[in-house]
Amino acid sequence: DTGVSQNPRHKITKRGQNVTFRCDPISEHNRLYWYRQTLGQGPEFLTYFQNEAQLEKSRLLSDRFSAERPKGSFSTLEIQRTEQGDSAMYLCASSQGQGIAKNIQYFGAGTRLSVL
Amino acid sequence: AQSVTQLGSHVSVSEGALVLLRCNYSSSVPPYLFWYVQYPNQGLQLLLKYTSAATLVKGINGFEAEFKKSETSFHLTKPSAHMSDAAEYFCAVSDRGKLSFGAGTTVTVRA
Repeated sequence: DTGVSQNPRHKITKRGQNVTFRCDPISEHNRLYWYRQTLGQGPEFLTYFQNEAQLEKSRLLSDRFSAERPKGSFSTLEIQRTEQGDSAMYLCASSQGQGIAKNIQYFGAGTRLSVL
Repeated sequence: AQSVTQLGSHVSVSEGALVLLRCNYSSSVPPYLFWYVQYPNQGLQLLLKYTSAATLVKGINGFEAEFKKSETSFHLTKPSAHMSDAAEYFCAVSDRGKLSFGAGTTVTVRA
């Protein structure tokens, strides 16, 4: 068990560029979550997948954001036409599934995005 | 929607002193509550969870939390602080599977 892996760890981009982040969950975890954390705040939920199905999206996830989880394994989060307000830490978490015993979420180290 | 509020954004304690971090929840149903710790430039690590089995929950690194329904609280404590406890701590409630976090409390430990 290697834990949840996120790449890249840091991303610096210019306003207007597109960026993509990757998350590899713990193997056999069928739920995968994306959160965003800004400085001095707790993480905020963005979206989650049950296997390859995206089951819920937060209102925080504007049209410029898209997430995928092909084949129910790794996931990608893409931000198009980045804005300075997108600068944040993007955290990924995975869990085994439904029910409180199985829905303990394990977090990756995050991808820190800086939009200049 | 379920939510949590953490009282105090910063707590400073002396090494060996009691650590007390406050969390109050708002929930219309019995909540599932969590405490996570985040060290600089790292993800969140689960300290402990409340799932209604017992009101006093013991976690890792000597931390424990007590669920008090009458006070809608789930405060985190550690009897004796260690320098390695310096970190940011988040209380969270499970809301239909996804987690809703408090704003966090930063703990500094004085030698």
